[in-house]
Amino acid sequence: RLQESGPGLLRPSETLSLTCSVSGVSVTDDTRHWGWVRQSPGKGLEWLGTIYHRGGAFYNPSLKSRLLISVDSSKNRFSLQLRSVAAADTAMYFCSTHAVGMITGGGDVFTYFDNWGQGALVTVSS
Amino acid sequence: SSELTQDPAVSVALGQTVTITCQGDILTFCPATWYQQKPRQAPLLLLYGGTNRPSGIPHRFSQSRSGTTASLTITGTLDEDEADYHCGCRDRDGNVFFAGGTKLTVL
Repeated sequence: RLQESGPGLLRPSETLSLTCSVSGVSVTDDTRHWGWVRQSPGKGLEWLGTIYHRGGAFYNPSLKSRLLISVDSSKNRFSLQLRSVAAADTAMYFCSTHAVGMITGGGDVFTYFDNWGQGALVTVSS
Repeated sequence: SSELTQDPAVSVALGQTVTITCQGDILTFCPATWYQQKPRQAPLLLLYGGTNRPSGIPHRFSQSRSGTTASLTITGTLDEDEADYHCGCRDRDGNVFFAGGTKLTVL
């Protein structure tokens, strides 16, 4: 139900723009949040940011100065913009629904990504 | 520290039980979430919120938690369980962290 799209190759210092098209649910659904996660070649997962159903976005502090996540309700999609890319931004970029919950009675908060797109490979190279 | 760590690789004999661990200070207040990822595929949500399992996830996958360690246990491991396993959690500010993942080999 989620599908990433965007350029496969960028030059250093350019801006990466990725779109996640959503089907089967509205991006304005107030029970859902929308997130981005990336995975560098051979590495683990890295959370980039999440836009919450009330519209506020929350970013990985290490990327906050370069990152913007937004929602386009008219096209039922959400997007990521990452400015001033470098080789270290080469990765598979995934979009996903992002949920937050609380353990009953204990108050501990948990978080999970439950519906992932297939990913978009982005290479930054001169 | 909000860092999460996992052993890079673990192996298990077919049909046996294996435990994959995730360590980090934030696990004392955040129940870990576990994902399975097979080559050239997106991660798949396995377990979350302590006891929750999405529909379609077999009951041979379970998790536990103690202090700064979260554990994923696979009971009666099958060939199809060979994959990378990632744990994730959030800190008190809402930032999400993942460990580096564990590559499980089924012998």
